[in-house]
Parts: sequence; structure tokens; C-alpha cells
Amino acid sequence: GDSVTQMEGPVTLSEEAFLTINCTYTATGYPSLFWYVQYPGEGLQLLLKATKADDKGSNKGFEATYRKETTSFHLEKGSVQVSDSAVYFCALSRGYGQNFVFGPGTRLSVLP
Amino acid sequence: KAGVTQTPRYLIKTRGQQVTLSCSPISGHRSVSWYQQTPGQGLQFLFEYFSETQRNKGNFPGRFSGRQFSNSRSEMNVSTLELGDSALYLCASSPSTGMSYNEQFFGPGTRLTVL
Repeated sequence: GDSVTQMEGPVTLSEEAFLTINCTYTATGYPSLFWYVQYPGEGLQLLLKATKADDKGSNKGFEATYRKETTSFHLEKGSVQVSDSAVYFCALSRGYGQNFVFGPGTRLSVLP
Repeated sequence: KAGVTQTPRYLIKTRGQQVTLSCSPISGHRSVSWYQQTPGQGLQFLFEYFSETQRNKGNFPGRFSGRQFSNSRSEMNVSTLELGDSALYLCASSPSTGMSYNEQFFGPGTRLTVL
């Protein structure tokens, strides 16, 4: 079945450091890929998405590129802020009527 | 547009009881999905409803059930609660059409504690 693997956390960085959170997936066909973020005490918020190979999703300084050849969708940000501290989930969906499959989440802590 | 709302936000029950959680999707969204989130198992898909019909179902026992009403509001029910049912239950709605057809918009969740 479909699955999503993320790097184990927690990840602790200093403010303004470069962030990479690795995500790889296993799925048939051509799924859409997503990054969601969950702040403490809240639900998940969509951060960015990509729907086909080589698409780059971007939002709030975060970027991720859909790499079909390596089945990856790594999340990057050039300079993290304390306010980016949250749990980040990589997810896939194979489309209409198909449920989402989420990775285990990666907790990010950014220190001032 | 108002976001996805879930009620109640917090709930404490004892083993053996049953509970009903409610979710109101974003206006115009016809698909509603439910997830269970726990520290050990992460986010697990429970079921999805579309136009009052269950379209997808995860791997949960029959104690977990749901329904959707004609206005797209959804409820999930857990009967004969067990300690392991303590979790954050998240509801997500999806437009299923348009540019955001495959996006899910999450509510804040209902935190269920079973004692």
C-alpha cells in the first residue's frame, strides 16, 4: 500500500539556520504530495503542495520539489524563525476519492 | 469563509461509555474525513464521507462509526470506549472540485480522554 516516510525528529535548529526535512513516498500512479504543519494545540494547516513531477510548491519561505525519480518531496527553508517551531507532516493523495496517507511527522524546534 | 469547526473541543469519558463528535465543514465542501492522532500511531485515517455516503474506510474496529448529513455536517461515534481511544480526533473537509479539489482543510480537533 501507499506509505510516506519522514526523517525522525525532533529537529532542533538555531534561528536563521537552514532547514531540510526529508520525505520519501511509496505509491502507485502519480500522487499529489503535500506538506502540512501543526502548531501546538491546533489542527493541521496546508503549507504547500505539488501535483506532478518537477512541480515546486512554495509558501512562507518553505519550498519542496516533487521528484518522481527519487520518490521524494523534501521540505526546505533558507532561514528558520522561532515561529516555525511546529510539527511538519508530509502526505500524499492519489486523487479524487482517495484518502490521504500521512508520514509520522517531524517536530521542529527553533531556538532564538 | 469560516473554517472547519469541531465540537466539543475537549471531552472526558470513562471506559465503556460512548461518545459522539461533531464536525461542520467549510461551506460548499462535500467531503469530510476523520482522523485519529496519537503520539504512538501518528495520524490514522478513520473514514471519509461524500454526499452522505461513506466512500473510504480505514482499518478501525466497528466501534468507530460515522455519518454525514445532507448539509455535509458529519458526526463520528465511538461506542464502548477503551483507554486506547484517548486521542485527538481531527476532521478535515475537501471541496472535491476546482483548483483545491485534492486539498484537505482541517479543524482544530476534539481532544478525547478516556479514564
